[in-house]
Amino acid sequence: RKEVEQDPGPFNVPEGATVAFNCTYSNSASQSFFWYRQDCRKEPKLLMSVYSSGNEDGRFTAQLNRASQYISLLIRDSKLSDSATYLCVVNKAGGYQKVTFGTGTKLQVIP
Amino acid sequence: NAGVTQTPKFRILKIGQSMTLQCTQDMNHNYMYWYRQDPGMGLKLIYYSVGAGITDKGEVPNGYNVSRSTTEDFPLRLELAAPSQTSVYFCASRDPPSGRGGWETQYFGPGTRLLVL
Repeated sequence: RKEVEQDPGPFNVPEGATVAFNCTYSNSASQSFFWYRQDCRKEPKLLMSVYSSGNEDGRFTAQLNRASQYISLLIRDSKLSDSATYLCVVNKAGGYQKVTFGTGTKLQVIP
Repeated sequence: NAGVTQTPKFRILKIGQSMTLQCTQDMNHNYMYWYRQDPGMGLKLIYYSVGAGITDKGEVPNGYNVSRSTTEDFPLRLELAAPSQTSVYFCASRDPPSGRGGWETQYFGPGTRLLVL
């Protein structure tokens, strides 16, 4: 089993739609979780951290389910500018130095 | 602040050639990282450093070397380029973990696209 797994997509959704991505992780001792956004041919940028209690930032909501070992990202009222690849990132248990990146889920918002 | 800068942006190498990918950050971060990203794949850690003079291997270190003589610079060296090293290379930096036990944001450079023919 991969350390971090994501559905590669693409998810093609119309503007205004709600879309959700999941990411599963294999190491139950992982402590820190993040969603990064990567635009085509650009560097990844932090979208949001994922806290145990869940957190929301505008149209974006992140959730953590430790029992089932997955994190999720919900995007409401999708905008054309949300089109990107969303990377799930999980720290490697036992240290803060390194993390594992998922392969990403591609989102395409259609007019 | 310029953040994390990388040079060159793009390079074509012939098999067996050598080159150094430059990475500089002006945020006074102790932790720095080199990743490679192949098409459709996640980022793979090549090397990382937790401070000047301290480096360690990541998941895919073979064929690469690094040094960290200053806090700001973390160059990546390819000694004998191979087609398998065709990739996009990202440098990143971040602060050490906070007192809350959190893992701080990584800041990425714009990447270097390398083609080995």
